[in-house]
Amino acid sequence: KQEVTQIPAALSVPEGENLVLNCSFTDSAIYNLQWFRQDPGKGLTSLLLIQSSQREQTSGRLNASLDKSSGRSTLYIAASQPGDSATYLCAVMGSARQLTFGSGTQLTVLP
Amino acid sequence: ETGVTQTPRHLVMGMTNKKSLKCEQHLGHNAMYWYKQSAKKPLELMFVYSLEERVENNSVPSRFSPECPNSSHLFLHLHTLQPEDSALYLCASSQVAGGTKNIQYFGAGTRLSVL
Repeated sequence: KQEVTQIPAALSVPEGENLVLNCSFTDSAIYNLQWFRQDPGKGLTSLLLIQSSQREQTSGRLNASLDKSSGRSTLYIAASQPGDSATYLCAVMGSARQLTFGSGTQLTVLP
Repeated sequence: ETGVTQTPRHLVMGMTNKKSLKCEQHLGHNAMYWYKQSAKKPLELMFVYSLEERVENNSVPSRFSPECPNSSHLFLHLHTLQPEDSALYLCASSQVAGGTKNIQYFGAGTRLSVL
């Protein structure tokens, strides 16, 4: 059974810092890995989707990498802003073509 | 606004009540999903519908009964719930079910409290 772990569970940084969020998964037989953002009281917003054949994806200040063989992904956020404060969720699509989610990293960017 | 609307946003119900959650998508998608998000736990997939047909039921208790009358609407009927069913229930949609290149679009969720 696929398990997805996100470390750290919570992170607080001052504005302007570059930061890295980590995601690991136990079964490397995946179709893709996705990063989502969840704001309090709201649903999830897709940030980046990396296919299993890709190594990274970039969108603005966000860069996500995927090392499928080692079961790891990182989300790099450059020049963090208070508006980046949210919970970041990692999810993998496995052989059953369903998403398995991690518990998330709660990010607070202090002004 | 993601194009997926859930109502109500908040719901409090007793264990003997019957209520329904509603989800509507205006994205022209063919697949819709129900997820449960409990405190301190990852999102759990409950049901998947593809072209109005249920294609996945992840061992969800029968007190949760989904309904998909058309590709734009999804309901979750609730009856005789337990306090541990209190959670955020999220609806999502995507172009196709299980599409490996498709992004799922999520609604804002219904916060359910069972007393």
